Amino acid sequence: GQQLNQSPQSMFIQEGEDVSMNCTSSSIFNTWLWYKQDPGEGPVLLIALYKAGELTSNGRLTAQFGITRKDSFLNISASIPSDVGIYFCAGVDNYGQNFVFGPGTRLSVLP
Amino acid sequence: DGGITQSPKYLFRKEGQNVTLSCEQNLNHDAMYWYRQDPGQGLRLIYYSQIVNDFQKGDIAEGYSVSREKKESFPLTVTSAQKNPTAFYLCASSIAEGYEQYFGPGTRLTVT
Repeated sequence: GQQLNQSPQSMFIQEGEDVSMNCTSSSIFNTWLWYKQDPGEGPVLLIALYKAGELTSNGRLTAQFGITRKDSFLNISASIPSDVGIYFCAGVDNYGQNFVFGPGTRLSVLP
Repeated sequence: DGGITQSPKYLFRKEGQNVTLSCEQNLNHDAMYWYRQDPGQGLRLIYYSQIVNDFQKGDIAEGYSVSREKKESFPLTVTSAQKNPTAFYLCASSIAEGYEQYFGPGTRLTVT
């Protein structure tokens, strides 16, 4: 079936640094979504992308829908301790039916 | 306040007992989903429902059952046939299939 790959799997950064992570697939997706999960909580939707090439921001977060429609990127600027968590990407396929989650990128922010 | 509620937050059961996890939404969403998450892992789809009185198996449905008698409610039963039921269970909903999903706070089930 369709799969999403996320990299890196985990990352440790210093507070104040910028962060980049990505999500890739061998299949085309029509929608890309980015979620954040705090420990012991449900994932929260951060950004939704609907068009190839689209660049969308939400505060310090910026995400892009790749032009090939097979990837998406999430950037976090000036990281703070509350950015700690797992970031999941998700995609909706070309048929608008299958909703696929990536395995997540675990972010740790060191003071 | 619109949202998805799951109760309880923590649930403990003895092996061999069935247990039902609650999921309620007041977002007027047609589609609802159940996921399982193991420590350090991603989300795996157990069951989903696109509309009342209809549901489909996800990737790991064995040992689980669901019902969708009301639009707002999608309870999940973890049966004694589920070999490794201890996990974090997440419920989600969306306007319809293929749209962004919104998650509840989760229920952590421990079976001993």
